[in-house]
Amino acid sequence: TQLLEQSPQFLSIQEGENLTVYCNSSSVFSSLQWYRQEPGEGPVLLVTVVTGGEVKKLKRLTFQFGDARKDSSLHITAAQTGDTGLYLCAGAPSGTYKYIFGTGTRLKVLA
Amino acid sequence: DVKVTQSSRYLVKRTGEKVFLECVQDMDHENMFWYRQDPGLGLRLIYFSYDVKMKEKGDIPEGYSVSREKKERFSLILESASTNQTSMYLCASSPPGQGFREQYFGPGTRLTVT
Repeated sequence: TQLLEQSPQFLSIQEGENLTVYCNSSSVFSSLQWYRQEPGEGPVLLVTVVTGGEVKKLKRLTFQFGDARKDSSLHITAAQTGDTGLYLCAGAPSGTYKYIFGTGTRLKVLA
Repeated sequence: DVKVTQSSRYLVKRTGEKVFLECVQDMDHENMFWYRQDPGLGLRLIYFSYDVKMKEKGDIPEGYSVSREKKERFSLILESASTNQTSMYLCASSPPGQGFREQYFGPGTRLTVT
């Protein structure tokens, strides 16, 4: 079974702190996407990473794709309460069309 | 901006009822998807469609059917609703040539079957 494991599963931090969440697999992916889902809403696409070692920044969010394209990380600098939500990584393992979602990291940022 | 809309945000139905969930996207996307999301189980694909009148089963198609008569509209049908179909239902679409990546989601329908 091809899985995308995310860690940690839950994270509760104070506003202003930094954090990193991880997305890991034993499979190689041609690309990975990161989504954020706020309570009661659908996931919203944040970014796509394509090249091994690629780093993309979206304001205070930094996304990195592992060199071997089997893992990715999301780093948030100076978290804000508006960053609260469920963070999902997703992708299709190379050679397949099957698109899978990670297990998710539920982030709560406290004021 | 891509906009995916779903017919209802909240729905309460009785066991045995036939339920229709509608999804419309306005970006001329070829691919459309229906997922359900449950605590601890994540997002699970029910059905997807890559063209009008074309459909493919996802991971959990049992108890569901779909219809795609027009490119912009993808309907999910629960033939005879059961309590284990209580869930958050999410519709998504993605543009062609993306291999189903970069999906754009609707706001979801929270369905309760009593």
